[in-house]
Amino acid sequence: QSVLTQPPSVSAAPGQKVTISCSGRTSNIGDNYVSWYQQFPGTAPRLLIHDNDQRPSGIPDRFSGSKSGTSATLGIAGLQTGDEADYFCGTWDHGLTAVVFGGGTRLTVL
Amino acid sequence: QVRLQESGPGLVKPSQTLSLTCTISGVSVSTGSHYWTWIRQQPGRGLEWIGHIHYTGNTDYSPSLKSRVTISVDTAKNQFSLHLSSVTAADTAVYYCAREYRYADTTFDYWGPGAPVSVSS
Repeated sequence: QSVLTQPPSVSAAPGQKVTISCSGRTSNIGDNYVSWYQQFPGTAPRLLIHDNDQRPSGIPDRFSGSKSGTSATLGIAGLQTGDEADYFCGTWDHGLTAVVFGGGTRLTVL
Repeated sequence: QVRLQESGPGLVKPSQTLSLTCTISGVSVSTGSHYWTWIRQQPGRGLEWIGHIHYTGNTDYSPSLKSRVTISVDTAKNQFSLHLSSVTAADTAVYYCAREYRYADTTFDYWGPGAPVSVSS
């Protein structure tokens, strides 16, 4: 049971937009920055979004992040088949003094 | 270019200690604000944070693993290490080392490729 809650799977057609939610509580998402990671099978996760809505260099602007209260959202616009992957949210939990992750969401591009 | 590389045994017997080292290149482990982190992923599961260390020796550990985990840093070798004691089959996972850009912000901007570890007799 992960501390942060994500939907197990989402799907959409190529070219469309999809959103992935990440729900927590005040001690984690509410009071701290959220990051998002993309992971393809057999590879290490890659940082997509940090500080709620900041994209590292090299990440296309099709990827966006937002936070409101104790929830965060990853948006992926203009879906491509190459976006099929697992997506994880993560943040600090000051109550646990630990990093916490969501259980991950598998994106299928139909 | 920053690179991280995990190394260590791929097979550990139950009740023994799992030991992994992460070798860093392209940046000093002693760079001011960064924390150096271990994360694992059990087969078919999500990411699990194990703990992190600053070059000064400051550490935080996952509450669920705290009693069995030690993370240390070797500034001379530009490495940091993970020791997980009393392992069971539940500790079978891919273990990643990563750089956390600053304390408690979960910006893991560089990752190693991962080291698969199996716990079996």
